[in-house]
Amino acid sequence: DTGVSQDPRHKITKRGQNVTFRCDPISEHNRLYWYRQTLGQGPEFLTYFQNEAQLEKSRLLSDRFSAERPKGSFSTLEIQRTEQGDSAMYLCASTGTGDQPQHFGDGTRLSIL
Amino acid sequence: GNSVTQMEGPVTLSEEAFLTINCTYTATGYPSLFWYVQYPGEGLQLLLKATKADDKGSNKGFEATYRKETTSFHLEKGSVQVSDSAVYFCALRPPRAGTALIFGKGTTLSVSS
Repeated sequence: DTGVSQDPRHKITKRGQNVTFRCDPISEHNRLYWYRQTLGQGPEFLTYFQNEAQLEKSRLLSDRFSAERPKGSFSTLEIQRTEQGDSAMYLCASTGTGDQPQHFGDGTRLSIL
Repeated sequence: GNSVTQMEGPVTLSEEAFLTINCTYTATGYPSLFWYVQYPGEGLQLLLKATKADDKGSNKGFEATYRKETTSFHLEKGSVQVSDSAVYFCALRPPRAGTALIFGKGTTLSVSS
């Protein structure tokens, strides 16, 4: 079963460092989403790709955040100059066309020291 | 705007008890509605969905009915098991294609034997 895969599962870094996460969606899915989940909260939308085009970004995605999906397959999410408030679980989801539900990966848990 | 409100947790039940987790929503148009479940350290798994009014989603003994008149999508199960212990998230997807999910804060369910 080739579900949504995220790497790494856990990342611990010092404040001020840059981090990059990777998401590999289900192979036939053309839509890819990034969410952030903090403790005790539901996931919050960060950004959305259709194929390689980034079509929507939320206000949560500050200038320190950048996401790419260069060939319309895997995606990366980079956070520059990390801050304590960036500590969270970063979830990736993908879906195909039409009315299909989103399928989530297991997430990357980021801890800022 | 669009939003989802879930009952506060945690919900603590004995095995074989009846479960209800309330979910109400605010949305323009006719959103699709979802329940996702999250086990510790994992991503979200789709539990069930409903795409139009009066639809009933069901899976693994869980059910929820899309009630347009009360803007609700309450999750129910007749007899819970210890293995159902998890966090449950209600979510909506606005009708526009490709839009991201909007989640409630989640309800923690703990089932004891």
